[in-house]
Amino acid sequence: GAGVSQSPSNKVTEKGKDVELRCDPISGHTALYWYRQSLGQGLEFLIYFQGNSAPDKSGLPSDRFSAERTGGSVSTLTIQRTQQEDSAVYLCASSLEELNTEAFFGQGTRLTVV
Amino acid sequence: GQQVMQIPQYQHVQEGEDFTTYCNSSTTLSNIQWYKQRPGGHPVFLIQLVKSGEVKKQKRLTFQFGEAKKNSSLHITATQTTDVGTYFCAGHTGGFKTIFGAGTRLFVKA
Repeated sequence: GAGVSQSPSNKVTEKGKDVELRCDPISGHTALYWYRQSLGQGLEFLIYFQGNSAPDKSGLPSDRFSAERTGGSVSTLTIQRTQQEDSAVYLCASSLEELNTEAFFGQGTRLTVV
Repeated sequence: GQQVMQIPQYQHVQEGEDFTTYCNSSTTLSNIQWYKQRPGGHPVFLIQLVKSGEVKKQKRLTFQFGEAKKNSSLHITATQTTDVGTYFCAGHTGGFKTIFGAGTRLFVKA
């Protein structure tokens, strides 16, 4: 695709429910990142996929959060038993697996837990 | 873990005033990138610096990379209301992973 695509763009869920957020990176981009951004705040790193290497999960805030990247392309971020503090915009970014390239961000998924 | 620290967290300026945000790393950076996020939008790449002491300009924006490649700054001359947003620095410390700073949120009062 032309850019990084995320779906859904908005998600309202009840506390305790599970949610899945999807990211379609730019074709050919081997690096993929998930970030969380609360209202008016900075980027909170969640997880990083690089090619076929084991993902860097050091940013995941709890074991309720998990992510997969199938076939080195599409990624899904899953939040189990959602809590109100999970409400935020979840941003996905992708880049080529090289140093001197920029990261391209998707529009994000705004998650609201009620 | 590896971190890129960015200050200040917030900055309020009067239109026409200058603005600077600073980015610092405890380890040497291979490169530094700067991004801008408009309110309600997503971060968009502005520029990349690679060389020690490098300075680049984009109209009213001046980007610097420190001699030791551990710090960087973004300076905006004579801010305008269109400059409003959050500015992020990001760098590589040797691996492929891009490490983002927390961002500086700029408010411009007309």
